[in-house]
Amino acid sequence: DVKVTQSSRYLVKRTGEKVFLECVQDMDHENMFWYRQDPGLGLRLIYFSYDVKMKEKGDIPEGYSVSREKKERFSLILESASTNQTSMYLCASRTGTASYEQYFGPGTRLTVT
Amino acid sequence: RKEVEQDPGPFNVPEGATVAFNCTYSNSASQSFFWYRQDCRKEPKLLMSVYSSGNEDGRFTAQLNRASQYISLLIRDSKLSDSATYLCVVNGDTGRRALTFGSGTRLQVQP
Repeated sequence: DVKVTQSSRYLVKRTGEKVFLECVQDMDHENMFWYRQDPGLGLRLIYFSYDVKMKEKGDIPEGYSVSREKKERFSLILESASTNQTSMYLCASRTGTASYEQYFGPGTRLTVT
Repeated sequence: RKEVEQDPGPFNVPEGATVAFNCTYSNSASQSFFWYRQDCRKEPKLLMSVYSSGNEDGRFTAQLNRASQYISLLIRDSKLSDSATYLCVVNGDTGRRALTFGSGTRLQVQP
């Protein structure tokens, strides 16, 4: 069974703090993704990575950065958290091309106060 | 215009009813199509892929109309456990590795 885990289910941070969200997958998938999900807006892609140390911007990368030092781990970094980054953050991984199933982690509910 | 558009619903149907959702996509170069299901406060999970010829999985039937750029999902004999949000998903083009998700259609099956 594919497993994607995220470091926290719930996180509360203050405005201006640096925030790290960690994601780990155990199926040797090449591709990993970070999304945020907001009511009425659906899932929006922040960043994705198709190999170690490789990354590409998604649709809403502003205010975020990522790191992929090992194949199984993909980190999302909020350099200076702001209240408009309060959201549900979902990590996903997938093997091969976009025709394959994408597996999601359970999500991290981040609140920035 | 959004890349993937869905009616947000909610669709409230009685148990045993047949319900259909449609989804439209804007990029005619899209190659892969899926329906994902998301339960309340849970992560999305793949329900089924959508093939050009249409495909069925038990009570669920998915169809693709490339000419009109829409995808449909039909659920027959609805169960209470079908209550969830159904996400229409496409990949934009062959060069893009990431999928684009619709905002979802919420289904509530009532006893």
